[in-house]
Amino acid sequence: NAGVTQTPKFQVLKTGQSMTLQCAQDMNHEYMSWYRQDPGMGLRLIHYSVGAGITDQGEVPNGYNVSRSTTEDFPLRLLSAAPSQTSVYFCASSYERPGLAEFYEQYFGPGTRLTVT
Amino acid sequence: DQQVKQNSPSLSVQEGRISILNCDYTNSMFDYFLWYKKYPAEGPTFLISISSIKDKNEDGRFTVFLNKSAKHLSLHIVPSQPGDSAVYFCAARQGGSEKLVFGKGTKLTVNP
Repeated sequence: NAGVTQTPKFQVLKTGQSMTLQCAQDMNHEYMSWYRQDPGMGLRLIHYSVGAGITDQGEVPNGYNVSRSTTEDFPLRLLSAAPSQTSVYFCASSYERPGLAEFYEQYFGPGTRLTVT
Repeated sequence: DQQVKQNSPSLSVQEGRISILNCDYTNSMFDYFLWYKKYPAEGPTFLISISSIKDKNEDGRFTVFLNKSAKHLSLHIVPSQPGDSAVYFCAARQGGSEKLVFGKGTKLTVNP
């Protein structure tokens, strides 16, 4: 198993550009999520999905779109990049849904470091 | 409004001694807590968790203690090893919610 994979590893964008951060998992996990990590801010949830065709907003969803057409893939789209979106982005997945599980464990990808100038 | 607080940005301990990382929370509806470890340039990895119906969970060198009345949990690492040097995140789940809330992290340095 490759686990959770993210591409690209690094990206530099100009303000106003759009792009898609890719996330894929090969563990047949139903739950997937996107976080951003900023210095001194910890991890903040952007969007999540409890299964194909179902997505919902997290703590900081503005400026981002997601879709979940397959169980494996959960891309994150930046519609019009802003310097405030400079961050490290992590995708994560889990077999259980955090809201239902008695025991819960989430697997993270290696991250995408995004710089918006 | 920060619901999960890790008030110590950093901690330094000697190899072989105990490391104690602390986490406080404000939401009494949180019913499940997790600790993650993160090395530079890698994604976080799950370390240990505890349900609110317990007050202690142990896994090898790692023990998590939960004090619900104080809304406080701590992660004990005994004995600490240089390979434990990483950023540790505390996270919490509100019962029924699909969202995890993370603290800001504590950077642990274990000196040889």
